[in-house]
Amino acid sequence: EVQLVESGGAVVQLGGSLRLSCAASGFTFDDYNMHWVRQAPGKGLEWVSLISWDGTTTYYTASVKGRFTMSRDNNKNSVYLQMNRLRPEDTALYYCVKGAGHYFDQWGEGALVTVSS
Amino acid sequence: DIQMTQSPSSLSASVGGRVTITCRASQGISNSLAWFQQKPGKAPKSLIYAASSLQSGVPSKFSGSGSGTDFTLTISSLQPEDFATYYCQQYNSYPFTFGPGTKVDIK
Repeated sequence: EVQLVESGGAVVQLGGSLRLSCAASGFTFDDYNMHWVRQAPGKGLEWVSLISWDGTTTYYTASVKGRFTMSRDNNKNSVYLQMNRLRPEDTALYYCVKGAGHYFDQWGEGALVTVSS
Repeated sequence: DIQMTQSPSSLSASVGGRVTITCRASQGISNSLAWFQQKPGKAPKSLIYAASSLQSGVPSKFSGSGSGTDFTLTISSLQPEDFATYYCQQYNSYPFTFGPGTKVDIK
């Protein structure tokens, strides 16, 4: 059974930093791209970033480019999202999502990030 | 960026009924279209990819169609557990973008 467990969510000050982690199990981790998707309170879904299976390629939505960095450790079956210079509009539930080709497959339960001003 | 729109934004339907949700892309995306279901307080669930292919374990009451810019999700024989918000998403080009969602509730 595929499991994706996010951690690291917290309340952080405006301009601060936070690192989210996602621990994966139940599949051959280094065969798959991984994504982060976020959802602001009461709002819709927003794709944030992708990392390729081997970690050599990343893509980001424009609003986080230069502030967020996605990485992975295939030895630890984990992906990470380093978030710097956080803004109030980054407040959201962040989901770790397993890719299948380019489309999404399984979702984690999410980690809540709150940026306070 | 490719903009995704959905209609209607909400609808009411009866148990046992059938609903159709429309999703439109601002430019052609071939069949690179997925559908997701989200219940309140829960993570989204992947339903359909490649416009019409069911994810593993998704019942055949869910069906998708379309190509290019216009897509539909149809849910037949609605059951209480199907009342949720449904999102479409294009994965033809970065950044991947979602529609605003369609809330399906009980009439």
